[in-house]
Amino acid sequence: QSALTQPASVSGSPGQSITISCTGTSSDISGYNYVSWYQQHPGKAPKLLIYEVTNRPSGVSNRFSGSKSGKTASLTISGLQAEDEADYYCSSYKTSNTWVFGGGTKVTVL
Amino acid sequence: QLQLQESHPGLVKPSETLSLTCTVSSASISSVDYYWGWIRQPPGKGLEWIGSFYYSGKTYNNPSLKSRGTISGDTSKNQFSLKLTSVTPADTAVYYCARHPTYSNEFDYWGQGTLVTVSS
Repeated sequence: QSALTQPASVSGSPGQSITISCTGTSSDISGYNYVSWYQQHPGKAPKLLIYEVTNRPSGVSNRFSGSKSGKTASLTISGLQAEDEADYYCSSYKTSNTWVFGGGTKVTVL
Repeated sequence: QLQLQESHPGLVKPSETLSLTCTVSSASISSVDYYWGWIRQPPGKGLEWIGSFYYSGKTYNNPSLKSRGTISGDTSKNQFSLKLTSVTPADTAVYYCARHPTYSNEFDYWGQGTLVTVSS
């Protein structure tokens, strides 16, 4: 089962906006609106940031937003802060009741 | 507050079976609205979905594991489990259990994770 494709790293300065892409196939991202995004700090469990492409769980900052176009989903972090330095993963439901993650993107705050 | 807690097998020898249990608190694995899944993360690498359990007994597995993984649930103990056979050092990872709603498919609650090392 192939992982979704994410850039290995993205960086930005405090206050800037960055976007992380997540590319899949017609069997996952473009086939369903079940894309989710997770933030993971070192040594910690992943934390849900976005679900169903654009929805934020209660308590997640509105600086995080999600979108999708065709086979590519995106996570945008606005007003980048030092605490946003972490690894970010996308995930999608995939045909036949399976789920797939992206390879992860390391975000560096310069 | 919903909590998930993985067991801690620690070290497993190559070719043996890795066994993990996730104990769920403040939610029922018998709920029709949720799957209960296993995800792993090798050191320094990304997340990989292993498989998920549904209250009806139906299970879903990652085809890449080539049928080495078996997931089951014990509703009387509110626990679900993973058995991974014929392990190799490549199975060394932090193993997480997590909940995911059937209606939206995100992994919304996670355990803290447990490191399992495969080594002789």
